[in-house]
Amino acid sequence: DSGVTQTPKHLITATGQRVTLRCSPRSGDLSVYWYQQSLDQGLQFLIQYYNGEERAKGNILERFSAQQFPDLHSELNLSSLELGDSALYFCASSVSETSGQYFGPGTRLTVT
Amino acid sequence: GENVEQHPSTLSVQEGDSAVIKCTYSDSASNYFPWYKQELGKRPQLIIDIRSNVGEKKDQRIAVTLNKTAKHFSLHITETQPEDSAVYFCAAIGFMDSNYQLIWGAGTKLIIKP
Repeated sequence: DSGVTQTPKHLITATGQRVTLRCSPRSGDLSVYWYQQSLDQGLQFLIQYYNGEERAKGNILERFSAQQFPDLHSELNLSSLELGDSALYFCASSVSETSGQYFGPGTRLTVT
Repeated sequence: GENVEQHPSTLSVQEGDSAVIKCTYSDSASNYFPWYKQELGKRPQLIIDIRSNVGEKKDQRIAVTLNKTAKHFSLHITETQPEDSAVYFCAAIGFMDSNYQLIWGAGTKLIIKP
């Protein structure tokens, strides 16, 4: 157990819908990262927050947005969902931007 | 910016033999290099990491070596066991767009043959 929690574990929804994924980082970690992993693919970095502020953006679609709240938990919002958005979404946290990231168990999103 | 290349994409070794996965990076200022193991359907787990002020680090059957001159680092697994079967990712810290970011390799699928 990495200490990073994510909810929900599984999510099944229809095209065009909007969902919210939630992540709580390890105690003491200020940085939160979101990744997308499609079947048999690598980790695609989406976005990073540090202590409530956006720090870096990767290949995040405009239909996706995220935020980090004062209690350091983070939410990833996915809207106008398409079939191709079906994937595992991981959240990770780290104590600093130059240290190892610890991953949550992931949310498996299925868009039908 | 930083670019990380990982080879091979698939590696099949006999149980008990050693496995080596190699990554190269482009930014000579990179100073942190973690390795992750991801079993099927599970989260990536940090298994070992190395900073640029050392050349080698060991933890039981796994070791990581770093060659700063050649800008490559490698994961070595000795006496491989069936539970070592997984996808392994390397990564390197790079400074991009005024921020530190972890740049990931594409992954190596390690298959341990019984």
